[in-house]
Parts: sequence; C-alpha cells; structure tokens
Amino acid sequence: DTEVTQTPKHLVMGMTNKKSLKCEQHMGHRAMYWYKQKAKKPPELMFVYSYEKLSINESVPSRFSPECPNSSLLNLHLHALQPEDSALYLCASSQVEGWVEQYFGPGTRLTVT
Amino acid sequence: SQQGEEDPQALSIQEGENATMNCSYKTSINNLQWYRQNSGRGLVHLILIRSNEREKHSGRLRVTLDTSKKSSSLLITASRAADTASYFCATDTGNQFYFGTGTSLTVIP
Repeated sequence: DTEVTQTPKHLVMGMTNKKSLKCEQHMGHRAMYWYKQKAKKPPELMFVYSYEKLSINESVPSRFSPECPNSSLLNLHLHALQPEDSALYLCASSQVEGWVEQYFGPGTRLTVT
Repeated sequence: SQQGEEDPQALSIQEGENATMNCSYKTSINNLQWYRQNSGRGLVHLILIRSNEREKHSGRLRVTLDTSKKSSSLLITASRAADTASYFCATDTGNQFYFGTGTSLTVIP
C-alpha cells in the first residue's frame, strides 16, 4: 500500500470553529509532514514529525496545532483560523526524515469563512 | 526567500513534442527532486538527483543538474495529454527543503 489518505477532502469552517484534518499512511514511514499550498503557489512546509516527535515547526501560528498519535496517523487541529488560512493542506510521508522521496496525500481543501 | 525559481512559468505544447522546464536555486544542495501535481491534488514524486550526479533518466523523463550554475532541467519526451500538470523542483539544502515556483505544462491533444 503506497497511499497516503487525507480526510476530509473539503472543509468549510467559520473563524470560531474548531476542526481537525487527518492523515494516514500504512507504508511504515517514520517521517510525516504538513504543507500549506495557496492557489498557483508551491507547497510551503509547516511541520515535520520524525518518529512521532515534532522535528520542525516552520514558525506556524499557534492556531494550527499538529499531533502525531502513532506512526501511521497525523492530525492537524485548527482553531480560530483566519480567511487567509484558506488553502489546500497537504500531508506527506517518507521512510525517514531527510528530504528523501515524499509520498503525498490528495489534500484537504480548507475554506475559512 | 524562495530557494527555487522555475521557468517558464507556463508551457503549452502539442502532444508528441518534448517539454523542457528549468529550475534555478540559490544555495548549495544535497539533492534536487522533481514532483508533478495535477490540478489541485497531491504531488507525485518523479525523480531525485543527488548533488554528485549530472544526469538521470526515468522512462520518458531526463533530469540534468549543473551545480556550478545552480540549475536543473527536466525534459519530458514524447509528451502526452496526461502529462498536463504543474511541475515543481524541490531542493534539499541539508536543513531546509523548498519547492520551486513551478511550471504549468499543458499538452494539447
């Protein structure tokens, strides 16, 4: 199984809502990533988890809170978001951390109203 | 600032033609990768070339790397309509990983 799954595919939330994005992989990968991608722009790295520990936080606002419950799952908890946070949120995994080949999920299209 | 710049920003070709896109970067790298993204979806890894390699092939893809010029190129031969997508280079500087600005390729059947 070489698939990274993400749920939901689409999410619309108000600025006062709390929601979570979920990502799952069953490839035995030990590094997982969250990226944010605005329209017609490249993905921007947000967080990296390596062996279930937060390895990199690219100065992301605290309204985004990542969580790695186990080696297969990665969550991104959202709270008090702003309209400018509307974007495609991509999850990826790789065998180990170190900027090797990453496998991406299809993304969650988030709209903040 | 962004590590990688790609050109052209957009490219439109006829099916069967070759497509070449270029990536320039600013600092020394460990490796450079190319990814494809179909409209609004996840990225797919195409090829990785290490800093000590000059050329690499994978099927219809040919990637070159010139570390002295800090540039790479991706050649897609005998293009197909299914190759229509955005293509991103991504550079590993050791402690940073950046995607380039991307090239939008349209292959006309």
